[in-house]
Amino acid sequence: DQQVKQNSPSLSVQEGRISILNCDYTNSMFDYFLWYKKYPAEGPTFLISISSIKDKNEDGRFTVFLNKSAKHLSLHIVPSQPGDSAVYFCAATAWSGSEKLVFGKGTKLTVNP
Amino acid sequence: DVKVTQSSRYLVKRTGEKVFLECVQDMDHENMFWYRQDPGLGLRLIYFSYDVKMKEKGDIPEGYSVSREKKERFSLILESASTNQTSMYLCAATGPGTSGGEQYFGPGTRLTVT
Repeated sequence: DQQVKQNSPSLSVQEGRISILNCDYTNSMFDYFLWYKKYPAEGPTFLISISSIKDKNEDGRFTVFLNKSAKHLSLHIVPSQPGDSAVYFCAATAWSGSEKLVFGKGTKLTVNP
Repeated sequence: DVKVTQSSRYLVKRTGEKVFLECVQDMDHENMFWYRQDPGLGLRLIYFSYDVKMKEKGDIPEGYSVSREKKERFSLILESASTNQTSMYLCAATGPGTSGGEQYFGPGTRLTVT
């Protein structure tokens, strides 16, 4: 049973345009959501997060939106740059002190110059 | 800056061998995690540990065990390596000042079992 779903395995956008990566979840207990970025042959790095008490969090070119009623979140990258080309993982946790994350399968973003 | 290191970047082992993957973190924090990453399957949790001597099974613990003798070190053990354990193994830890479970990852170990 997949609790965090990233239904698009890949996404291709032009440099300078907006990239939108989507994530759906099924567990109503999740209350904190994170996005990680992963380059080949490297470990994932934390990108941005959002608490369930918010519906938007912004950090520079990266914005995460949360729609709790739809159990959906999205990551917007504006403007997209070739260096953003990577695999993006959505993750969720039910904050109980365990800090255990549930990850989606990832979306491979390619930003074309 | 938080640092998580893994003993090997690339490893080739034979079927049936006992394999040790080491992970060390320089944060004074309790929680450490082992994942494997496979194409199309994302990151799957194998084991995690909240404290020294403590361990919890993740989603796919079969064929693996772990050891946590010191707070900074968390080892993943493949008791008898099999070809279906060929994968990228990632260690992670949570650090002080993080919230909501933000994890810091090591660079990963690409294990090939032949």
